[in-house]
Amino acid sequence: TQLLEQSPQFLSIQEGENLTVYCNSSSVFSSLQWYRQEPGEGPVLLVTVVTGGEVKKLKRLTFQFGDARKDSSLHITAAQPGDTGLYLCAPSSNTGKLIFGQGTTLQVKP
Amino acid sequence: NAGVTQTPKFQVLKTGQSMTLQCAQDMNHNSMYWYRQDPGMGLRLIYYSASEGTTDKGEVPNGYNVSRLNKREFSLRLESAAPSQTSVYFCASSSQPGGNTEAFFGQGTRLTVV
Repeated sequence: TQLLEQSPQFLSIQEGENLTVYCNSSSVFSSLQWYRQEPGEGPVLLVTVVTGGEVKKLKRLTFQFGDARKDSSLHITAAQPGDTGLYLCAPSSNTGKLIFGQGTTLQVKP
Repeated sequence: NAGVTQTPKFQVLKTGQSMTLQCAQDMNHNSMYWYRQDPGMGLRLIYYSASEGTTDKGEVPNGYNVSRLNKREFSLRLESAAPSQTSVYFCASSSQPGGNTEAFFGQGTRLTVV
């Protein structure tokens, strides 16, 4: 059974600050997805990282896949209130299951 | 574009009652999933169906049953509801199983068991 940990669990920051959240595991993955869930909604896919060491940028969001493909990070530059939400990571699986980490709840205050 | 549709959106049950949560997708996806989400928590997988005709247990299957009725529909049944099953339930679908393609989620069903 893979162990997937996201940290921190909660983060409350002021608008304009930078932050990084992490997704770590003891297992190697062929790819990993990041989702964001806004209050009252279902999660929506932000990005999929596939190659070890890969860096993908989505406007102010930068996603990195670890060289060993066991971990990933999400960095947000100059956070805005619209970034508020629950950030979830989900690694690929050859069992058919889609398992999510516990998530990082981000609150960005104006 | 409807995507993934869940019904009902809200439900209150008494302990011991049964109910079925419905989920339908119109994207011709092979795989479908049921999750529960408790306050301040991520999503926990209850059951999934990697393809039409198959279902399998997820992380927290106890107290639930599922039916993959056809390629479009995947229902979740609570035979005898318990207060511990108070949660928000999400259905999702993807073209391929296991996080290899994008998963699309419904709006959720907010269930309270009293």
